[in-house]
Amino acid sequence: NAGVTQTPKFQVLKTGQSMTLQCAQDMNHEYMSWYRQDPGMGLRLIHYSVGAGITDQGEVPNGYNVSRSTTEDFPLRLLSAAPSQTSVYFCAIGGPPLGEQYFGPGTRLTVT
Amino acid sequence: RKEVEQDPGPFNVPEGATVAFNCTYSNSASQSFFWYRQDCRKEPKLLMSVYSSGNEDGRFTAQLNRASQYISLLIRDSKLSDSATYLCVVTKSGGSYIPTFGRGTSLIVHP
Repeated sequence: NAGVTQTPKFQVLKTGQSMTLQCAQDMNHEYMSWYRQDPGMGLRLIHYSVGAGITDQGEVPNGYNVSRSTTEDFPLRLLSAAPSQTSVYFCAIGGPPLGEQYFGPGTRLTVT
Repeated sequence: RKEVEQDPGPFNVPEGATVAFNCTYSNSASQSFFWYRQDCRKEPKLLMSVYSSGNEDGRFTAQLNRASQYISLLIRDSKLSDSATYLCVVTKSGGSYIPTFGRGTSLIVHP
């Protein structure tokens, strides 16, 4: 049972490049989220989805797009990478009603 | 005032010690509370939910004080393997489900 998988594990981008961070789950959770974690800061919610076809913005959505065409997949797109997007990105499943979340292993992104 | 505040530590304790962390939250409408553990360069993992009546899981006890707006985590008989960062998470009632994470408290257990 893989749970939540994320690819790639590491990525280096140049400013202005675009890329997609992949997140997949095999636990059939409706609720999926993307967070970023920066040194000295708590995890911050970027976007989330309450089910296929439904997405919404979190706390820090600017510069990121998401879509949810299936229950299993929730990709995060960086349209034009900026150095401020250098961070560790975590995908998570779970949320309401119990509120417990389970995280993928993360993607470490560096934008130069 | 930040929505969720934690003392970053580090808390440096010997094996076998009892250690406690607090986490304060500013929104009185907060509904759900959790403690997560995060090892260095790893993903956060759910440690325990925090219920109004308090709850215990082995060496770990979590409590909620709504009047003073804080939650606590008590670790008894600390093990070397307890060394990690402990994240406090608070969610609000109503509307969108957007959890707020504290910055974490670092615990180092030494021999």
